Amino acid sequence: GAVVSQHPSRVICKSGTSVKIECRSLDFQATTMFWYRQFPKQSLMLMATSNEGSKATYEQGVEKDKFLINHASLTLSTLTVTSAHPEDSSFYICSATAGTGVDGYTFGSGTRLTVV
Amino acid sequence: RKEVEQDPGPFNVPEGATVAFNCTYSNSASQSFFWYRQDCRKEPKLLMSVYSSGNEDGRFTAQLNRASQYISLLIRDSKLSDSATYLCVVRQGGKLIFGQGTELSVKP
Repeated sequence: GAVVSQHPSRVICKSGTSVKIECRSLDFQATTMFWYRQFPKQSLMLMATSNEGSKATYEQGVEKDKFLINHASLTLSTLTVTSAHPEDSSFYICSATAGTGVDGYTFGSGTRLTVV
Repeated sequence: RKEVEQDPGPFNVPEGATVAFNCTYSNSASQSFFWYRQDCRKEPKLLMSVYSSGNEDGRFTAQLNRASQYISLLIRDSKLSDSATYLCVVRQGGKLIFGQGTELSVKP
């Protein structure tokens, strides 16, 4: 089946630094990728939707200059958390779809970000 | 009002019990409906899609009522391995919108 690889699985960084998270579709071409954030005991909140070769569409309340998303190819999307603060500590998960079929959403294994 | 709302939980049940999860959604234009399962610190995994005619997969039965914008999941003969958070999910315009999840703990 479809596989999405997300790296790193866990990262600790200092306040003020930037962190890049990669999301790769390994065996299909992902026309659309989604980035979610999940705080403890809360649900997944959609941050942005990215289509290959175009600018990401951000959900209301998500700062596009802080959370940089690049979807330069059909198999890779990256999320860069810039100038990280402790409140950015969260579980970040990507999802990819080839756009075929209602069940065609594959999730990465997530990245646990801790900002100290 | 949240777009997708679920029972707050947690549910603590003995093995063999029958558990019901309820979910409502606010956007009548929602196109598809799913139940996902999420284990602690892991990504969500699709449990089953939900259709208006109702559908069953082994011990799991899902129902959808479009008129009342209500979705349900029933787990029969619950197992210890069913312990997880169950997420009600709707698809709107290509995006998946998640409910806050209901935690289930099945005890011996």
